[in-house]
Amino acid sequence: RKEVEQDPGPFNVPEGATVAFNCTYSNSASQSFFWYRQDCRKEPKLLMSVYSSGNEDGRFTAQLNRASQYISLLIRDSKLSDSATYLCAVLRGDTGNQFYFGTGTSLTVIP
Amino acid sequence: EPEVTQTPSHQVTQMGQEVILRCVPISNHLYFYWYRQILGQKVEFLVSFYNNEISEKSEIFDDQFSVERPDGSNFTLKIRSTKLEDSAMYFCASSGRGRSYSEAFFGQGTRLTVV
Repeated sequence: RKEVEQDPGPFNVPEGATVAFNCTYSNSASQSFFWYRQDCRKEPKLLMSVYSSGNEDGRFTAQLNRASQYISLLIRDSKLSDSATYLCAVLRGDTGNQFYFGTGTSLTVIP
Repeated sequence: EPEVTQTPSHQVTQMGQEVILRCVPISNHLYFYWYRQILGQKVEFLVSFYNNEISEKSEIFDDQFSVERPDGSNFTLKIRSTKLEDSAMYFCASSGRGRSYSEAFFGQGTRLTVV
């Protein structure tokens, strides 16, 4: 079973829409969780860390559900500039300090 | 804002040649990583490095690969005898504190093309 699984999409949404991505992880020893954004042929850039209590940064909200082992990212009021691939990443404490990435979910925001 | 820098941005090499990819991690960070991404595929872990030694490596990181931190600032990935399938974007990353709750920051990547 893959460490981290994501729906690859693509998600095509109109401007202003709300879109949600989910990501599941297989190992309950996972400690830290993150969402990264990756533009075409660029490096992953940290979007936000995901905490048990949930966290919000402007139009972006991240949630963690440890019991069901998934994390989510909600984007409200989508902008054209949100078009990118969104990667979830999981840091396991039991295997050293390795980040496991999902395959990424592709988002295109349409005018 | 501190950032991870990588050089070169693009490297073309002939099959069988050795390449060294260079990275300068964020200065107060403790953990260093190399990842690679084949075009259109996921970001794959290669190796993590802490306290001047490899802390973990993946199956991809075979005997052809090695890492070094030759001085206080640089972190290098060497591929001894490149193969066509080594063509990919190689990302260096660093993270700061202990094992928990520490975000990794990525460099802009080196695009390696093996011909």
